[in-house]
Amino acid sequence: GAGVSQSPSNKVTEKGKDVELRCDPISGHTALYWYRQSLGQGLEFLIYFQGNSAPDKSGLPSDRFSAERTGGSVSTLTIQRTQQEDSAVYLCASSSPTGGRWYNEQFFGPGTRLTVL
Amino acid sequence: KQEVTQIPAALSVPEGENLVLNCSFTDSAIYNLQWFRQDPGKGLTSLLLIQSSQREQTSGRLNASLDKSSGRSTLYIAASQPGDSATYLCAVSSGGSYIPTFGRGTSLIVHP
Repeated sequence: GAGVSQSPSNKVTEKGKDVELRCDPISGHTALYWYRQSLGQGLEFLIYFQGNSAPDKSGLPSDRFSAERTGGSVSTLTIQRTQQEDSAVYLCASSSPTGGRWYNEQFFGPGTRLTVL
Repeated sequence: KQEVTQIPAALSVPEGENLVLNCSFTDSAIYNLQWFRQDPGKGLTSLLLIQSSQREQTSGRLNASLDKSSGRSTLYIAASQPGDSATYLCAVSSGGSYIPTFGRGTSLIVHP
């Protein structure tokens, strides 16, 4: 597609339920990032995928959070047993770092607003 | 560990003013610096990417400069318009990582 897409745009769930958030990166982009943006806070890095390499999961806040990327394209972020503090906007970005770190420009999706009641 | 600071946190100006937004970083060994804008309830839109070897980049009324030695970047907005109202974030890639460090942003309001 023309840009990064995310679905759903909004998700309301009850505490304790599991949720899945989806990201479709720009076609051909090998790198994919997940971030979280809580109200009034900055962007918090969650996880990074690059090609077939093992993902960098250093930003995941707890073992309730996991993500996968199938076929080097679409990614799903899963939050198990959601808590109220998980309420935030979850943003996905993709890039094509084939030219090296100097040219690694990120493009963001519109985000998924998650509300945990 | 890279730290990125944006000053001011908020700015309100009348239409037509020329603006300077600041971004400072602690580790000067950067690969690139990217400026974004974020409208309320939306994702981030890339404005400009400056590579470490560059001093500035321009796009329309926007000009971003980079001074690695002093750990600073500025985003200059000429002849501001109400449509420029948004939060502006800078992100720095450094330290051998593809994962950038983001500032907290400057919230800009341009009133008619």
